[in-house]
Amino acid sequence: DAGVIQSPRHEVTEMGQEVTLRCKPISGHDYLFWYRQTMMRGLELLIYFNNNVPIDDSGMPEDRFSAKMPNASFSTLKIQPSEPRDSAVYFCASSESGAHSWGEQYFGPGTRLTVT
Amino acid sequence: QKEVEQDPGPLSVPEGAIVSLNCTYSNSAFQYFMWYRQYSRKGPELLMYTYSSGNKEDGRFTAQVDKSSKYISLFIRDSQPSDSATYLCAMEGGKLIFGQGTELSVKP
Repeated sequence: DAGVIQSPRHEVTEMGQEVTLRCKPISGHDYLFWYRQTMMRGLELLIYFNNNVPIDDSGMPEDRFSAKMPNASFSTLKIQPSEPRDSAVYFCASSESGAHSWGEQYFGPGTRLTVT
Repeated sequence: QKEVEQDPGPLSVPEGAIVSLNCTYSNSAFQYFMWYRQYSRKGPELLMYTYSSGNKEDGRFTAQVDKSSKYISLFIRDSQPSDSATYLCAMEGGKLIFGQGTELSVKP
């Protein structure tokens, strides 16, 4: 398996523009997670899905952020409009269900977002 | 107070040294404890996974959990330059809660 795939790897955009980040989880994994990593705040969970259904979006910073998972092999994280403080590395991760699998998350390479 | 506290370092050691990385936490309900390793400009990868108190060994790596003190540790024996990375502790509390990460540099 190719692992978790994210695109784009780098994104530079201007304030006010819409940004869409994409993720393809590992085949067979039924949990998908979106994280944001910054120097100041570390790695933070934004939202996670189970079987394509959003379960907990309490980490989404504000209404400018939205996430979808239309099928088991694809998810998007959208920021509209983007702001400079959204600059961070965004990771997607996936895992299998099961008592010991929750913490065994497989991370993608991340998307480095810069908003100018 | 953060739920998980981890010294960000950086920590620099010579090759062959024993490295000790630590985290403290405040929620006594945590049962599963993990260590992730993150190389520069890469995603985190799971290194060790332990349940409740005790030790777990995997090659040069030993994870230790002391629930009475709310303290977890990762020991790296015979450290190698390839161990240079950021190490993040994580705990399961309805979701994974990560420490800030400790940046480790092993000098040849």
